[in-house]
Amino acid sequence: AQKVTQAQTEISVVEKEDVTLDCVYETRDTTYYLFWYKQPPSGELVFLIRRNSFDEQNEISGRYSWNFQKSTSSFNFTITASQVVDSAVYFCALSGYNYGQNFVFGPGTRLSVLP
Amino acid sequence: KAGVTQTPRYLIKTRGQQVTLSCSPISGHRSVSWYQQTPGQGLQFLFEYFSETQRNKGNFPGRFSGRQFSNSRSEMNVSTLELGDSALYLCASSRGATGTGYDTIYFGEGSWLTVV
Repeated sequence: AQKVTQAQTEISVVEKEDVTLDCVYETRDTTYYLFWYKQPPSGELVFLIRRNSFDEQNEISGRYSWNFQKSTSSFNFTITASQVVDSAVYFCALSGYNYGQNFVFGPGTRLSVLP
Repeated sequence: KAGVTQTPRYLIKTRGQQVTLSCSPISGHRSVSWYQQTPGQGLQFLFEYFSETQRNKGNFPGRFSGRQFSNSRSEMNVSTLELGDSALYLCASSRGATGTGYDTIYFGEGSWLTVV
C-alpha cells in the first residue's frame, strides 16, 4: 500500500525566513511519481512540481527547491526567503505508474508566513 | 487557457437529499477525477473517468457515483446525503496519457458542500 507522511502539521515563520516542508513516502512500486501541491484559502490545489522515481536530481524554481532522496524515501520542499503570499496548505502526493489520477495525498502542512 | 471549472462553488443540502456537482476540464483534457477533502480524512480519491469510462475507483460507498460526457465534462452525484458528506469536492483533469509520469493533474477550486 502507498502512504505519504507529512509530519509537520503547522509551521509558522517570519517573512524572509527559509522553511523546509518534509515529505516521507512508502511504496512498493519501482516506478512512481511524487508531487507537491499548494492549496490557498480559495480551495484550488495548485500544481508545483512532479518528480519521477528514476530522476533523483534536485530542482530549483525561483525561491522553491526540492530535495528527492530515494534512500530515505523523502521528497522535501524548501521555500527560500518566504513571503506572506506563501501562506497556504502544502500537500505532498504519490502515484504509481498507470495509476491514472489515483493519487495518495499526505495530510498537508499548513504554512503561515508572518509579516 | 481556462482552468478546471466546477459548479456550484457552494451549496447547502439537507440530510437525505441528493446532489449533483459539475466539472468542466481544461480544454483538450480527456481524463477527469474527483476527490473529497475533509478535515478528518484529508484528500481522498473518489473516481476517475477517461473517455466516458470509469478507469479507477476509490473506496467510497455506492451512494457516490459519477459520469463523463463525450465532451469530457463530468458530473458526480451523491444520493441520500449524510452529515459526514459535508466536504470540499475537488475535480481534477489531465490529458489522460497512460502513466502519470507523462501527465500532470490540474485541480479546480472545488465545490463546498454542507449537509445539514
